[in-house]
Amino acid sequence: EIVMTQSPATLSVSPGERTTLSCRASQSVSSNLAWYQQKPGQSPSLVLYGASTRATGFPARFSGSGSGTEFTLTISSLQSEDFAVYYCQQYHIWPYTFGQGTKLEIK
Amino acid sequence: QVLLQESGPGLVKPSQTLSLTCTVSGGSISDVDFNWNWIRQSPGKGLEWIGYIYFTGSTYYNPSLKSRVTISADTSKNQVSLKLTSVSAADSAVYFCARDSASSLTYFGFDVWGQGTSVIVSS
Repeated sequence: EIVMTQSPATLSVSPGERTTLSCRASQSVSSNLAWYQQKPGQSPSLVLYGASTRATGFPARFSGSGSGTEFTLTISSLQSEDFAVYYCQQYHIWPYTFGQGTKLEIK
Repeated sequence: QVLLQESGPGLVKPSQTLSLTCTVSGGSISDVDFNWNWIRQSPGKGLEWIGYIYFTGSTYYNPSLKSRVTISADTSKNQVSLKLTSVSAADSAVYFCARDSASSLTYFGFDVWGQGTSVIVSS
């Protein structure tokens, strides 16, 4: 199976700052990558798919890039509601697999 | 608005069978555009995709769980079910049902999730 590795595990950032989260796949997944946001006690919410297409409800400050094995999720100006855990997921090959998550916390 | 609601026992004894149900409202599991998935989340293993079912009954399971998993659908009740046999403490997790696209051409990830149900395996 494809192993997804996210870095860093925790990111401390101040509101208003720009931040970038990374995700690496153990083999190419083309652009078949999604990002999810999960807040405490909630289920994950789809943020991006196709590596860079925003899902419904997520503002333009969320953007994604990458293809093959290296991907990034960038949040241009962090708002209080953005502090959460973010997961990447590949849907290139079954079984679909998730990264272990990056926790975005307030500095 | 499509809503998913998981239900089932919160406590299962080791070696027994875990049985969960996902009730879909605001949409139909017979919709040709979607698969219905089970995903679990545990502190030790993170998010793990278990498998999916299409309304025709077609299924696909994670090879790591395939020998123990059955996903079925009841279109009359608009429900999807998960059975996991011979459970151990390693199967303790929050179990989610989630929807994704049945088409690889218009795939968009897991766009609708249930709230999840916690299952603990313990005697």
